[in-house]
This record gives sequence, C-alpha cells and structure tokens, in this order.
Amino acid sequence: NAGVTQTPKFRILKIGQSMTLQCTQDMNHNYMYWYRQDPGMGLKLIYYSVGAGITDKGEVPNGYNVSRSTTEDFPLRLELAAPSQTSVYFCASSRQNTEAFFGQGTRLTVV
Amino acid sequence: GIQVEQSPPDLILQEGANSTLRCNFSDSVNNLQWFHQNPWGQLINLFYIPSGTKQNGRLSATTVATERYSLLYISSSQTTDSGVYFCAVGGRSGGYQKVTFGIGTKLQVIP
Repeated sequence: NAGVTQTPKFRILKIGQSMTLQCTQDMNHNYMYWYRQDPGMGLKLIYYSVGAGITDKGEVPNGYNVSRSTTEDFPLRLELAAPSQTSVYFCASSRQNTEAFFGQGTRLTVV
Repeated sequence: GIQVEQSPPDLILQEGANSTLRCNFSDSVNNLQWFHQNPWGQLINLFYIPSGTKQNGRLSATTVATERYSLLYISSSQTTDSGVYFCAVGGRSGGYQKVTFGIGTKLQVIP
C-alpha cells in the first residue's frame, strides 16, 4: 500500500515548455486534489476531483489542466510554463468527509 | 469559501516547553486536520479531528466545532517538532467537499 505517489520529485522547466505532473493513489479514494505551495505560504487548491470523469476548479486554476479517467490517477498538466508557476505541488486523496493523505510533493522551477 | 486563520504565525520554544496552536475557521466544517510539515517539506498527518479531543503521545488536539476553532497542544517539545503546523478544514461548496488550508504556524524548538 504505497498511498499517494507523485512523480517527478524535482523538475526544471524553461518558460513556455509543457509538462505533466503525475499522481496516483492505491487507496480507492474518490476525492483527489492538487495544491501548490509557494514559499512561506499555505497550500492553495488548484483543481480537485470527486470521482472519475468529474473535475472542478479550485482557488488558483489558471495555467493548469487536469483529467480523471480512472479512480487511481489524477495528472496535472502545465501547458505553457511561466515563472509564476515555480512552486511545490502536492497531490492528495481522501474519501468524502474523511482525512486527506498527501504525496511527497513535486518541486518545480520555471526559468 | 471558508476562511482559516492560524495563530501565532511564528513560535520559538525552548526544548521541553509546552505550546498551544490555534485554528479559527469562518463557517461550519465537516472535517478538520492538523498537519506537520517537516524541514524537508513532507506533510505528515497529525490528527483528523472534526470535533472532540484526541491524543497521540505528546500531541493532542481539540476541536469545538460549534465555536469554530481547533487547538493543537504540544507538550515537552523536542527539536524534531520544528517545522510548520497547518490546519486544514473541509466544508461543502457547490455541493462538493473542498479542503482549505491556513497559512500555518512556524515552530522552532531550540536546544
């Protein structure tokens, strides 16, 4: 039981490049979330999903896209990377109204 | 959306001292978690506590949902307790569960 797994752990992107942050969970949770954490700040919700095929915007969705084709996977796509997207990204999962479990994070730098 | 306020923002303790961290939230919630983010950035679940009191070793937490606050107690602090403590609350918005984080309390325990 690996919990929530994120890949990669670190990545440097050039401005304008695109990439996908991968997130998978093996706890059969229906809820999944993507957060970003800027230095010295709390976590802000980018997108979330309440089940396969259902996604919705969070607090800071601009510049990102998500999909949820399976219960296990919830990838986050950056299409045109910008320096403002330099951050640490966390994926999490939970059942409805229960505790959330977090991955170890992806540290992304856009230069 | 739900507003989450944590206090104090920063705290320096001598090893062995006790402390209380507070989390206030602006609306009814149906879940609340406390996390510890260690110096390596990893988010560690401490408590899932939408109401009531829980204890785990030197840490305990109390949530008074009717008065919209939660408290995290750290007793006999150790240097390994250093890091940032986050409160995250879950409430329904648009019919779906969302989890909102406070900006955290940064704790430094000195020997």
